[in-house]
Amino acid sequence: EVQLVQSGAEVKKPGESLKISCKGSGYSFTNYWIGWVRQMPGKGLQWMGIIYPGDSDTRYSPSFQGQVTISADRSISTAYLQWNSLKASDTAIYFCARQGQYMATLDYWGQGTLVTVSS
Amino acid sequence: QSALTQPASVSGSPGQSITISCTGTSSDVGGYTYVSWYQQHPGKAPKLIIYDVSNRPSGVSNRFSGSKSGNTASLTISGLQAEDEADYYCNSYTFSNTVVFGGGTKLTVL
Repeated sequence: EVQLVQSGAEVKKPGESLKISCKGSGYSFTNYWIGWVRQMPGKGLQWMGIIYPGDSDTRYSPSFQGQVTISADRSISTAYLQWNSLKASDTAIYFCARQGQYMATLDYWGQGTLVTVSS
Repeated sequence: QSALTQPASVSGSPGQSITISCTGTSSDVGGYTYVSWYQQHPGKAPKLIIYDVSNRPSGVSNRFSGSKSGNTASLTISGLQAEDEADYYCNSYTFSNTVVFGGGTKLTVL
């Protein structure tokens, strides 16, 4: 069974750093892209970027380029989303999702990680 | 990179059919068959219901169907049921090797 399990909720202060994780199991982690999607409170889904764990090829939405870093450790089948300096506007639920056979097809999703940034 | 355009809300009675549109440009929806649709219930992760414009993943009801004409993709739900009440999102691959979502549509089953 394909599963993506994300790390738990985080509460941070503005300016702090953060790295959240997404562990894949039940499939060949290195052979599928893993994407990250933001959902701000009461709002829609926003595609942030994607990584291919096999060779760490990474692509970012222009809206998120330079704001976050996506990485992966294929030895432990885990993808990461990282911030160096959080802002209150980063408060959101962050989902990881596996991209299936077809481009833009996010076929399996993690449960989401709530990140709250507040002073 | 602008979000794809979806109606903010649609509604229908049980048993009826509804259609949700997803409008982009020739650089995304119109240029590729890589359009997917997702259903999201409150407090839950999104669920893939249509991929590659019109294909259903295993286990998804055949009441859900997808199509595309030009720069607009559409999701049709037939035989509406109370459990279909949710938010629906489209997404598409883009010419810049990225992905863009629609703004989402809230479906209310009356």
